[in-house]
Amino acid sequence: DTEVTQTPKHLVMGMTNKKSLKCEQHMGHRAMYWYKQKAKKPPELMFVYSYEKLSINESVPSRFSPECPNSSLLNLHLHALQPEDSALYLCASSQGVSDREGGYTFGSGTRLTVV
Amino acid sequence: AQSVTQLDSQVPVFEEAPVELRCNYSSSVSVYLFWYVQYPNQGLQLLLKYLSGSTLVKGINGFEAEFNKSQTSFHLRKPSVHISDTAEYFCAVLFRGNQFYFGTGTSLTVIP
Repeated sequence: DTEVTQTPKHLVMGMTNKKSLKCEQHMGHRAMYWYKQKAKKPPELMFVYSYEKLSINESVPSRFSPECPNSSLLNLHLHALQPEDSALYLCASSQGVSDREGGYTFGSGTRLTVV
Repeated sequence: AQSVTQLDSQVPVFEEAPVELRCNYSSSVSVYLFWYVQYPNQGLQLLLKYLSGSTLVKGINGFEAEFNKSQTSFHLRKPSVHISDTAEYFCAVLFRGNQFYFGTGTSLTVIP
């Protein structure tokens, strides 16, 4: 299995809603990442998990809350989002945070629209 | 500060013509280099990567890239493009110190 699977593919939520994005990989990768991508822009790093522990938080607002229940799963909990948070949210994995010579494997993303 | 530059934000090219997408980066110290492609409403897919060895790297879908250490460049080429190559292309660099940077992207549009 060489894929990163993200669900849902599309999500529309109101500013008072709580929702979660899910990511799963079965490649044995020990590092997992959340990226945010606006249209025609490169991905922006949000969070990095290494061996199921949060190792990097790129000053992301607290309305985004990551969770890594096990080595294969990564969640992103969303609460009280703003319309400017509308974007494509990408999950990625790599062999390790200190072992990224193989590059990242990306999921297909969740297209989030906040109304 | 480290940086990755893709000077061409948009590249239109006719079908079956050759194309080169340019990528320059800020440091000649040991780096690993990548090109990713993103089709509309999709995630990023690794096209090719340079880690060491031959400076000419071949990837998927007929793409290749050449590592030029003296010019700190890693340009992507394809001798004959297809409509299906229309996508966003991102150059990325893993610098010494484990810093990973994406370029700003190049939108390739193949014209029939």
